[in-house]
Amino acid sequence: GDSVTQMEGPVTLSEEAFLTINCTYTATGYPSLFWYVQYPGEGLQLLLKATKADDKGSNKGFEATYRKETTSFHLEKGSVQVSDSAVYFCALSDSLSGAQKLVFGQGTRLTINP
Amino acid sequence: DAGVIQSPRHEVTEMGQEVTLRCKPISGHDYLFWYRQTMMRGLELLIYFNNNVPIDDSGMPEDRFSAKMPNASFSTLKIQPSEPRDSAVYFCASSFGDGGAFEQYFGPGTRLTVT
Repeated sequence: GDSVTQMEGPVTLSEEAFLTINCTYTATGYPSLFWYVQYPGEGLQLLLKATKADDKGSNKGFEATYRKETTSFHLEKGSVQVSDSAVYFCALSDSLSGAQKLVFGQGTRLTINP
Repeated sequence: DAGVIQSPRHEVTEMGQEVTLRCKPISGHDYLFWYRQTMMRGLELLIYFNNNVPIDDSGMPEDRFSAKMPNASFSTLKIQPSEPRDSAVYFCASSFGDGGAFEQYFGPGTRLTVT
């Protein structure tokens, strides 16, 4: 079945550092790809998405490019802030099957130190 | 606009008791999802509904768990009887199936502790 693999955390960086969180996927169809963020004590929020190959999703300084050839959707940010500390989830949906459910990775906990 | 509303936010109960979690999806959304989040297992999809009809309940752990959606604006997840291993954060999410968006909007969660 479809699956998502994220780089293991936790990840700890200093403020203004460059961030990359790796995400690779396995899917039989043509998935849409998502990054969700979960701040402490809250539910998940959609951070960005890409619906087809070579699309770039971006939001709040974060970017991720849908790479079909490497089945990847790595999350990047050029200069992180303390407020970016959260858990980040990569997810996919299989638009071919029409199923509305998302398949989530295990999450990567990010801590930014001032 | 109000987002997904869940109640209660925290629930502490004793083993063997019945627990009912409640969810109000975003108005106009036709899909509703129940998830469970634990440190050990991460985020698990329990069940989801489309237009109030259960579509996939393969994630429901056992017969002690049941979910209903009597109308488009309300859903419940019931655990009877509860056990300590049910302790987790339970999230409800909703989405609008407009042909491929798949964006799910999550509620704040209910933190359940079974002692």
